[in-house]
Amino acid sequence: AQKITQTQPGMFVQEKEAVTLDCTYDTSDQSYGLFWYKQPSSGEMIFLIYQGSYDEQNATEGRYSLNFQKARKSANLVISASQLGDSAMYFCAMREGLIQGAQKLVFGQGTRLTINP
Amino acid sequence: AAGVIQSPRHLIKEKRETATLKCYPIPRHDTVYWYQQGPGQDPQFLISFYEKMQSDKGSIPDRFSAQQFSDYHSELNMSSLELGDSALYFCASSSGTPAEQYFGPGTRLTVT
Repeated sequence: AQKITQTQPGMFVQEKEAVTLDCTYDTSDQSYGLFWYKQPSSGEMIFLIYQGSYDEQNATEGRYSLNFQKARKSANLVISASQLGDSAMYFCAMREGLIQGAQKLVFGQGTRLTINP
Repeated sequence: AAGVIQSPRHLIKEKRETATLKCYPIPRHDTVYWYQQGPGQDPQFLISFYEKMQSDKGSIPDRFSAQQFSDYHSELNMSSLELGDSALYFCASSSGTPAEQYFGPGTRLTVT
């Protein structure tokens, strides 16, 4: 069963608008972490933001914020004031457990975001 | 700040050849993860090492092996290469628990 689900294969947004990328997850663990990565066409995976399952506040990093709704098992990424350089593939990922070295990430299918001028 | 280094960045091999990918983690990071990302797919976990010991294993073919050395760098060895092994191979490093994983730029392997 898919543990991370990103239901938006592609999104098109006008420059300077805010955009929300959806991510839902499935786990029976109490301790887990949720990540968002950006992958531009050049291929590298750029870490954007992290939310721990016990964090009470939603994570924020500059223009990025994570809308964490634990009861709904959702961890949506919000990008404010989108820029042309935000055009990329975005992956939501989950890390389960706390055993050091055994905290692999499970990724969603990704959302391709295109920012139009 | 120092990042994860992977070499080579691009590699072209023929079927049945072998390939070795190298990963140098961020200094003082003791854990390395390897992921494989096929064309148009999400990254899939292959194998991980903590303090030079294999700690977790994913969908890694028996033709692949990996290890972490005393200086914490890691190598992924791939033998009897197949066309389906063409992919972007990422190494990520972390330290402590819970920990964020920082990815290297990836090695793009093409098997012809």
